[in-house]
Amino acid sequence: GAGVSQSPRYKVAKRGQDVALRCDPISGHVSLFWYQQALGQGPEFLTYFQNEAQLDKSGLPSDRFFAERPEGSVSTLKIQRTQQEDSAVYLCASSSPFRGQVYNEQYFGPGTRLTVT
Amino acid sequence: DAKTTQPPSMDCAEGRAANLPCNHSTISGNEYVYWYRQIHSQGPQYIIHGLKNNETNEMASLIITEDRKSSTLILPHATLRDTAVYYCIVRRTASKLTFGTGTRLQVTL
Repeated sequence: GAGVSQSPRYKVAKRGQDVALRCDPISGHVSLFWYQQALGQGPEFLTYFQNEAQLDKSGLPSDRFFAERPEGSVSTLKIQRTQQEDSAVYLCASSSPFRGQVYNEQYFGPGTRLTVT
Repeated sequence: DAKTTQPPSMDCAEGRAANLPCNHSTISGNEYVYWYRQIHSQGPQYIIHGLKNNETNEMASLIITEDRKSSTLILPHATLRDTAVYYCIVRRTASKLTFGTGTRLQVTL
């Protein structure tokens, strides 16, 4: 595909349910990021993968949040026992560092809007 | 990464230049200035970045002051499709982006 895709685009979950959000990065992109965006706020970093390795998970708000990228391409963000405060847009981004280019841009997907009722 | 300060909102008439300021007074020598924008219901979109020299691409120009403590993003001929939230980000590493609350630019007829 031409860009980063995410599914589902919208998800409604009852409090206490588990959810799984999928991200398909741009083909060949090594780095993959997850962000959480609350209403009216800027995106906040959750976690970062380089290939299949999760190099930074400092932004995950609790141990209910888990992310994986087992084959270094598609990634899944899982939220267990969802709470109302988890309601937000979850954004995925990918990037591909080129030799000699350290500071590279991230390409974002459209996001998944999660509403916990 | 250094903190940035942007005005919460700005208006611009269609066809005129939109000049969006950003203060980053604590920027370090190895930190770049990045600009992204987010159109309603879409993911953020990369616009431009720079270190110390002014930069221009097909979307915008970036003017960085000599002391690097502030910068201005210039959209030379704003259109209604440029209505969005614009984020100024100072970034050291090649990993995460730290967004603030940005500037909401409203382009009007």
